[in-house]
Amino acid sequence: NAGVTQTPKFQVLKTGQSMTLQCAQDMNHNSMYWYRQDPGMGLRLIYYSASEGTTDKGEVPNGYNVSRLNKREFSLRLESAAPSQTSVYFCASRSGGSTEAFFGQGTRLTVV
Amino acid sequence: EDKVVQSPLSLVVHEGDTVTLNCSYEVTNFRSLLWYKQEKKAPTFLFMLTSSGIEKKSGRLSSILDKKELFSILNITATQTGDSAVYLCAVGCTTSGTYKYIFGTGTRLKVLA
Repeated sequence: NAGVTQTPKFQVLKTGQSMTLQCAQDMNHNSMYWYRQDPGMGLRLIYYSASEGTTDKGEVPNGYNVSRLNKREFSLRLESAAPSQTSVYFCASRSGGSTEAFFGQGTRLTVV
Repeated sequence: EDKVVQSPLSLVVHEGDTVTLNCSYEVTNFRSLLWYKQEKKAPTFLFMLTSSGIEKKSGRLSSILDKKELFSILNITATQTGDSAVYLCAVGCTTSGTYKYIFGTGTRLKVLA
């Protein structure tokens, strides 16, 4: 059971570089989420998607874009990385109703 | 603004102790309260509560929700070193019909042998 798969697991970027974090789930879930986790800040919602083709901003969307091209995949793009975006990024998915979210293993991103 | 507050921020206990972790919330359109355990990587699901006063239990862990006072507690009895982790509280809520989770900052629990 793969669940939620994130790639890459680790990445180092230089300031100003761009990259896309990939997330895929094989549980046929409708909703998907991107969070970032910083020390002492808990998990903060960046963007979420209730279904294929729809996306909404969360608490901290600035500097990010997302794409939900199909039901399985939800990608997060940093167009011009900044040191403030150094964080651990988690993708999550949920089926529907009041159910729990399932998390990927995270991507540790460092921007230098 | 929706918020979830956990206390204490950190806790150090000895094996065999009982601990109580707290989570209070102020959110609109509350749907559920969830507890997760995070060791080094992804948060793993522990409990989901939607109704007041009904205790959920799994082994040495239990949790209860009070929707009138807007809080939940997570109890761990007879703690073991393997319980050392960050415990996250999250509230599921809807905004314009879309479901999302608001997380607290977590409680870091360290259990000493």
